[in-house]
Amino acid sequence: NAGVTQTPKFRVLKTGQSMTLLCAQDMNHEYMYWYRQDPGMGLRLIHYSVGEGTTAKGEVPDGYNVSRLKKQNFLLGLESAAPSQTSVYFCASSYQQGAHSGANVLTFGAGSRLTVL
Amino acid sequence: QKEVEQDPGPLSVPEGAIVSLNCTYSNSAFQYFMWYRQYSRKGPELLMYTYSSGNKEDGRFTAQVDKSSKYISLFIRDSQPSDSATYLCAMQRSQGNLIFGKGTKLSVKP
Repeated sequence: NAGVTQTPKFRVLKTGQSMTLLCAQDMNHEYMYWYRQDPGMGLRLIHYSVGEGTTAKGEVPDGYNVSRLKKQNFLLGLESAAPSQTSVYFCASSYQQGAHSGANVLTFGAGSRLTVL
Repeated sequence: QKEVEQDPGPLSVPEGAIVSLNCTYSNSAFQYFMWYRQYSRKGPELLMYTYSSGNKEDGRFTAQVDKSSKYISLFIRDSQPSDSATYLCAMQRSQGNLIFGKGTKLSVKP
């Protein structure tokens, strides 16, 4: 099993350009998440999805959009990239909460490193 | 006050030392307490989690939760160079998303 796969692994954008990060999981997980990780800030939740066709805002959603058209895929879009969006982006997935005694156990991808110039 | 506080380190210890990593929190509603390990340029991976108060042991790793003090710890016995990583604590209410600490960077020197 591949687990959680993120593409691309690296990307450099110019301010104002748009791009989409793709996350795919093969574990039949209901829940999927997008986080960003910045030095000194830790992991911050951008958006998440509790099932196919659903999305919800996390802690830092501004400037990002997401879609979950298929259960196994979760896309993160940047419509007009800004230097403040330079970060490492992590996708994660988990079973529906309650399957592991209520603990929300996340499986993470390897990350996508984005630089906005 | 942030919901979860974690000293970012870095923490450097000699091989074989006992390592203590800690987090404090302010929200008494947290029920699940987790530790993730993140190697450089990799995604975090779950080490272990505990429910409510008490201890949990897994090999060289022991997680402790003291809800009365709102304080959690991860102990690593006989630390190895392969334990060098960033350790993230994470907490969760009975249901809901995880709240992560900022992570502590650990280096174990041979």
